[in-house]
Amino acid sequence: DTEVTQTPKHLVMGMTNKKSLKCEQHMGHRAMYWYKQKAKKPPELMFVYSYEKLSINESVPSRFSPECPNSSLLNLHLHALQPEDSALYLCASSQVISGWTEAFFGQGTRLTVV
Amino acid sequence: AQTVTQSQPEMSVQEAETVTLSCTYDTSESDYYLFWYKQPPSRQMILVIRQEAYKQQNATENRFSVNFQKAAKSFSLKISDSQLGDAAMYFCAYRTTNSGYALNFGKGTSLLVTP
Repeated sequence: DTEVTQTPKHLVMGMTNKKSLKCEQHMGHRAMYWYKQKAKKPPELMFVYSYEKLSINESVPSRFSPECPNSSLLNLHLHALQPEDSALYLCASSQVISGWTEAFFGQGTRLTVV
Repeated sequence: AQTVTQSQPEMSVQEAETVTLSCTYDTSESDYYLFWYKQPPSRQMILVIRQEAYKQQNATENRFSVNFQKAAKSFSLKISDSQLGDAAMYFCAYRTTNSGYALNFGKGTSLLVTP
């Protein structure tokens, strides 16, 4: 199983809503990542978890709150988002954080904030 | 800060032909890793090929190969015998220890494959 599963695939939320994105992998990977990708742009790193601990936060606004409850699961909690937060949110995982290891990506959640 | 530049926003190739996508990068690091990722309309990023900076031999994966010119900081991707399924956005990416091993992507090249 070389799959990273993200749910939901699409999400529409209002600016006052609270929602969560979920990412799951069963490859035994101990590094997990959240990226944000705007249309026709490259992915931008948001957060990195290593062994279930947050190791990198790329100065992301606090309305995005990551959580890694176990080694297989990564959540991104969303609250009071702005329309400019509409984007494709990609989750990825790799064996460990190192230069060579392949990062496996999910298909993403297409988020629209209205 | 490291930058990755892909100067070709769009490229087109006929089926069975060969195409080369260019990528240059700017870094002061000596130890780093370079990648090409493919993102088809399905949105999933897929690793195409990778190269370690200290290896002089160019990486090859079936129809995909790279031309790594370390002194010129160039990392181009050659796709041979192009297939319709190769149509996608291709991102060049850079990774180093000093960035926490985060992938730093170029802006991408959209590849169209025509029959």
